[in-house]
Amino acid sequence: GAVVSQHPSWVICKSGTSVKIECRSLDFQATTMFWYRQFPKQSLMLMATSNEGSKATYEQGVEKDKFLINHASLTLSTLTVTSAHPEDSSFYICSVETGTGGEQYFGPGTRLTVT
Amino acid sequence: GQNIDQPTEMTATEGAIVQINCTYQTSGFNGLFWYQQHAGEAPTFLSYNVLDGLEEKGRFSSFLSRSKGYSYLLLKELQMKDSASYLCAVRDKAAGNKLTFGGGTRVLVKP
Repeated sequence: GAVVSQHPSWVICKSGTSVKIECRSLDFQATTMFWYRQFPKQSLMLMATSNEGSKATYEQGVEKDKFLINHASLTLSTLTVTSAHPEDSSFYICSVETGTGGEQYFGPGTRLTVT
Repeated sequence: GQNIDQPTEMTATEGAIVQINCTYQTSGFNGLFWYQQHAGEAPTFLSYNVLDGLEEKGRFSSFLSRSKGYSYLLLKELQMKDSASYLCAVRDKAAGNKLTFGGGTRVLVKP
């Protein structure tokens, strides 16, 4: 598998501010990383696919100008939630895909609370 | 798109066996995955099936029937620590090989 870290593990911010979440692949060079969001008692929803050295691919309904993704190296992708609002409060999880089967390994997640 | 169904919740007794079913509809099936997720934590990879049949990994087994669009995860010799949500996810070539997750099945293991 792959070891993935995220920072911070939790963050509280005020409405209107921006928050940056880092996702690091510690033992695997990831040209692609994935960003998911999970609301309480719901499943994971893919937000975007982060591509090293190029633009991210966003899922339908996800605002690319609100959720800025930068994948500047093979080990780091960042997600910036801009002008956060209370409805953006969620559990944000990144993952990398390894292996021939395409299994994904997840970071520990970042819990964002917007007040 | 994909349609993935799994039961919302199941309860079982410590030491028993529980089977979690997952049905799916997809146009370009390219693998089915099971993940375990404890409350407040990220999912951890359990198993992967792409061909029909049973894959066994210790106390956990996963079965796939592509013709029926059906999989199950079997948990044997249940332990209290197995109380968690179990997520079924399907990889679809028609969707760029992205993973789509089912709603998850919350398993409660009672003593």
